[in-house]
Amino acid sequence: QSVLTQPPSVSEAPGQKVTISCSGTSSNIGQNYVSWYQQLPGTAPKLLIYDNNKRPSGIPDRFSGSKSGTSATLGITGLQTGDEADYYCGTRDSSLSTVVFGGGTKLTVL
Amino acid sequence: QITLKESGPTLVKPTETLTLTCTFSGFSLTTNTAGVGWIRQPPGKALECLALIDWNDNKLYSPSLRSRLTITKDTSRNQVVLTMTNMNPVDTGTYYCAHRRVELWSGYYFDYWGRGTLVTVS
Repeated sequence: QSVLTQPPSVSEAPGQKVTISCSGTSSNIGQNYVSWYQQLPGTAPKLLIYDNNKRPSGIPDRFSGSKSGTSATLGITGLQTGDEADYYCGTRDSSLSTVVFGGGTKLTVL
Repeated sequence: QITLKESGPTLVKPTETLTLTCTFSGFSLTTNTAGVGWIRQPPGKALECLALIDWNDNKLYSPSLRSRLTITKDTSRNQVVLTMTNMNPVDTGTYYCAHRRVELWSGYYFDYWGRGTLVTVS
């Protein structure tokens, strides 16, 4: 069981917007930065968001991140079929002294 | 350009020790901006960070696996090695190494990943 809690799946139509939540505690999300990863089928994870809301070079602004208290959210606008993937949140847990991930959310673009 | 590549056995027997090597290029673990982590993913399951080593030899381990893990770096060869003892079939999965960018007032994240190596314990 993952330290961070994500919904197992979300779905939305092409062109629409979707949000994926990531819930933690005061020892992880509550006091550390959150990152988000996209994992297309059969490939390695790819960094989408770091430090809560920053995008690496090359990541389109359709992807956004936010954090409030012990929860974080990934937003994706203008959904495309190519966005179908598993999405993971991650952060450092200060009590466990390690990096923790969420259980992953499978995005289906109907 | 940063690249990482995992290497090691694809099949290990229960109770054996697994040794994985991450060979990287495009950065150095002698500069104060880099770290390397090992992350695994059982088939159909979530990511799990196993261990992390920074340029200053600071190490983090998964608490549940700490007694079985050792992470080391060889800066002359640009390699990071992970050993995991007493392998069990539940350890089957894809093992990734990834680059961590170390910055003051920044979080823990992995910005470059290797393609992963599938390890089967049987």
